[in-house]
Amino acid sequence: KAGVTQTPRYLIKTRGQQVTLSCSPISGHRSVSWYQQTPGQGLQFLFEYFSETQRNKGNFPGRFSGRQFSNSRSEMNVSTLELGDSALYLCASSLAQGSQDNEQFFGPGTRLTVL
Amino acid sequence: AQTVTQSQPEMSVQEAETVTLSCTYDTSESDYYLFWYKQPPSRQMILVIRQEAYKQQNATENRFSVNFQKAAKSFSLKISDSQLGDAAMYFCAFYGSNYQLIWGAGTKLIIKP
Repeated sequence: KAGVTQTPRYLIKTRGQQVTLSCSPISGHRSVSWYQQTPGQGLQFLFEYFSETQRNKGNFPGRFSGRQFSNSRSEMNVSTLELGDSALYLCASSLAQGSQDNEQFFGPGTRLTVL
Repeated sequence: AQTVTQSQPEMSVQEAETVTLSCTYDTSESDYYLFWYKQPPSRQMILVIRQEAYKQQNATENRFSVNFQKAAKSFSLKISDSQLGDAAMYFCAFYGSNYQLIWGAGTKLIIKP
């Protein structure tokens, strides 16, 4: 089975631009979560989607948004980029069919650099 | 709100020896899961071991085992027979009722040959 894939792997943007990151979960997984990883703040939860519905959202400004499609693929969008948005963005998928299926499998991440 | 604390920013161990990484957490929930993830320099996050809070028996996975103390809210990871490939950042994470992993700050593990 193929793992979680994220595209692109690396991205360079300038302040004020917007960016869209994509995540394809493991086949059969219905939950997709997004995390931001920075040296200063560590790993922080952005949001989680299950069957196209956002079930939870972390403490990030409205510039950060996401969605999930019917095939469970997910995208996250960051508008009006700031220097502080430079980070590794990790996507994780899980079966989430029940309480036992919450093990999250991670993609390789997208490294976003904002100049 | 749940919190996860890893008090050891860095640990080093001689190859083939045993090392224990510490993790404490705070929660008011009774049903939750705890994880240890490993992140090598490649940045790929890899699950090391998982513990269900309702299970009293400590989880083990080959050379990796945990000491889960629910009352003390402690979840340490023991790595036996350390290998060079174990060198990585290790993150402790909590998963409760709100569909998110809450992470510790991580411990950098250095293996000395």
